[in-house]
Amino acid sequence: EIVLTQSPGTLSLSPGERATLSCRASQTLRDNYLAWYQQKPGRAPRLLIYGASNRAIDIPDRFGGSGSGTDFILTISRLEPEDFAVYYCQQYGSSRFTFGPGTRVDF
Amino acid sequence: EVQLVESGGVVVQPGGSVRISCVVSGFTFEDYSFHWVRQVPGKGLEWVSGVMWQEAWQGGSTYYADSVKGRFTISRDDSKNSLFLQMSSLRTEDSALYYCAKESYSGGLDIWGQGTTVTVSS
Repeated sequence: EIVLTQSPGTLSLSPGERATLSCRASQTLRDNYLAWYQQKPGRAPRLLIYGASNRAIDIPDRFGGSGSGTDFILTISRLEPEDFAVYYCQQYGSSRFTFGPGTRVDF
Repeated sequence: EVQLVESGGVVVQPGGSVRISCVVSGFTFEDYSFHWVRQVPGKGLEWVSGVMWQEAWQGGSTYYADSVKGRFTISRDDSKNSLFLQMSSLRTEDSALYYCAKESYSGGLDIWGQGTTVTVSS
């Protein structure tokens, strides 16, 4: 099983600031098959990024993904009030998907 | 409209069994792979199981997390646009909100249901 570790656990920032979230995999992800999701309270997760760096449909360009191999980054260039949420990375390089524990971005 | 709608919440005793379902509309169900993901309130997401799209002459491959392997069975009925999760030998730690989710061709889970609550309690 591929284990994903996310850091930090919580990121305390203000609107307008830049957020940098990290995700590390226990082994190299095939073809950088890494996705990022945003989840708000009481809501299902929303796909933000797939293939490590590709924005999903209707995702604003302030969200960016980068990285390869075992180390990946989600960047939110300028935080909007609606961006305060929990963010999860997920690998789909193996048939048995796994999620990271999440990073909470709060104000 | 693209929708995934899970069945209603259930309460089941430890050791018991239950089947939850997810009905899909708004796109061609048989062309895609689907997954179940669960979440204990206040905790993170846990991938549970996935079933791949299937060729006409063979069933879709299925995959399970270690925590449920041998107890849960995922299946699909393409004629009914439906996804199922048969859950047996249930434990209190299986209590969670269960989401069904569609796998995108490009990667990741792009469409999610609203979730259904499974409570395992005596």
